[in-house]
Amino acid sequence: EPEVTQTPSHQVTQMGQEVILRCVPISNHLYFYWYRQILGQKVEFLVSFYNNEISEKSEIFDDQFSVERPDGSNFTLKIRSTKLEDSAMYFCASSFDGYRATQYFGPGTRLLVL
Amino acid sequence: DQQVKQNSPSLSVQEGRISILNCDYTNSMFDYFLWYKKYPAEGPTFLISISSIKDKNEDGRFTVFLNKSAKHLSLHIVPSQPGDSAVYFCAASAQNTDKLIFGTGTRLQVFP
Repeated sequence: EPEVTQTPSHQVTQMGQEVILRCVPISNHLYFYWYRQILGQKVEFLVSFYNNEISEKSEIFDDQFSVERPDGSNFTLKIRSTKLEDSAMYFCASSFDGYRATQYFGPGTRLLVL
Repeated sequence: DQQVKQNSPSLSVQEGRISILNCDYTNSMFDYFLWYKKYPAEGPTFLISISSIKDKNEDGRFTVFLNKSAKHLSLHIVPSQPGDSAVYFCAASAQNTDKLIFGTGTRLQVFP
């Protein structure tokens, strides 16, 4: 069964450093998402991406964040200058359709900012 | 932001019995609801969904019920199995958006 994959599984970085989290969505999916879950809190929406552009973003997704689909298979989340509060589990998801479609999640990248 | 609430942080059920997980929402614009299961150190796994035009959807041991007037949905698992032990998240999306709003989750433990 096709699945969403994410690399790395864990990332430790120093505050102020840039990190890139990578995702390979399910191959025939057209809609891509990033969510995050801070320890002990809800899973929160960050951004949705379709047709090579951001379709929606949350208040969390400020100028420090960016997303890119550099080729036909990868989808990346970049955090330019990490802060302590960026420490969280980051989940990538994809769906074939957007509205009212099932989103399939990857296993997550645990980011720890020191 | 408490648009989706799961008021029971945990539930313990004996194997073979029914597990009922509840979810309440406040946003009347929500029209699509999903349940996900999550094991530690893994991503959420899709279980079942329901759109607002229906009040019930069934898939094997899993049934989701939607009560729009009460803004309440529930997930029934019957019979419950030890492998069902996980955290269950309710999620919702509103009209004209595919952003999912998640609840805080309910940890289900199924014991022999």
